[in-house]
Amino acid sequence: KAGVTQTPRYLIKTRGQQVTLSCSPISGHRSVSWYQQTPGQGLQFLFEYFSETQRNKGNFPGRFSGRQFSNSRSEMNVSTLELGDSALYLCASSYRTGSGTEAFFGQGTRLTVV
Amino acid sequence: DQQVKQNSPSLSVQEGRISILNCDYTNSMFDYFLWYKKYPAEGPTFLISISSIKDKNEDGRFTVFLNKSAKHLSLHIVPSQPGDSAVYFCAASEGAAGNKLTFGGGTRVLVKP
Repeated sequence: KAGVTQTPRYLIKTRGQQVTLSCSPISGHRSVSWYQQTPGQGLQFLFEYFSETQRNKGNFPGRFSGRQFSNSRSEMNVSTLELGDSALYLCASSYRTGSGTEAFFGQGTRLTVV
Repeated sequence: DQQVKQNSPSLSVQEGRISILNCDYTNSMFDYFLWYKKYPAEGPTFLISISSIKDKNEDGRFTVFLNKSAKHLSLHIVPSQPGDSAVYFCAASEGAAGNKLTFGGGTRVLVKP
């Protein structure tokens, strides 16, 4: 069974640009969550999508958005990039939503904003 | 406001001995706890989990203990192996928040041969 696939693995963008990251969950998984990892803030929850609906959202500005497609694949978008958006962005998939479900992570997309 | 804390940033242990990683939480609504292992520039790998209705869960070399009254959980790795050297994250979730995981800051484990 294939794991969670994130593309691209690495990305360099200029301040002010926008970026779209992609995540393909494990087959059969309908929940996709996104996390940001930085040295200063650690691993922080961005949002969760389940059956194409945003189920939960973390404490991030509106520049961070996402969506989920009918095949459960998800994208996240960051507009008007800032230097502080440089981070490892991780996607996690789960079979269902709700506590008690293990989340399996992809390898992440390393975003560098210059 | 850190709801999940791992107070030991690092841990060094001899190969074959026990590694004990600790995690404290403040949110009494958390009802599910997970441990992940992470190598640099990779995503976290799920290790083991425990529901708040249990106080112990075992999977091979990994055992997680939960003390609800103290809001404390620990991960025991026995015996420790050099391949266990990584950063370990404790995470928690609550039913009302879907799959949102709140992570601790991580503990870097070094297993010496």
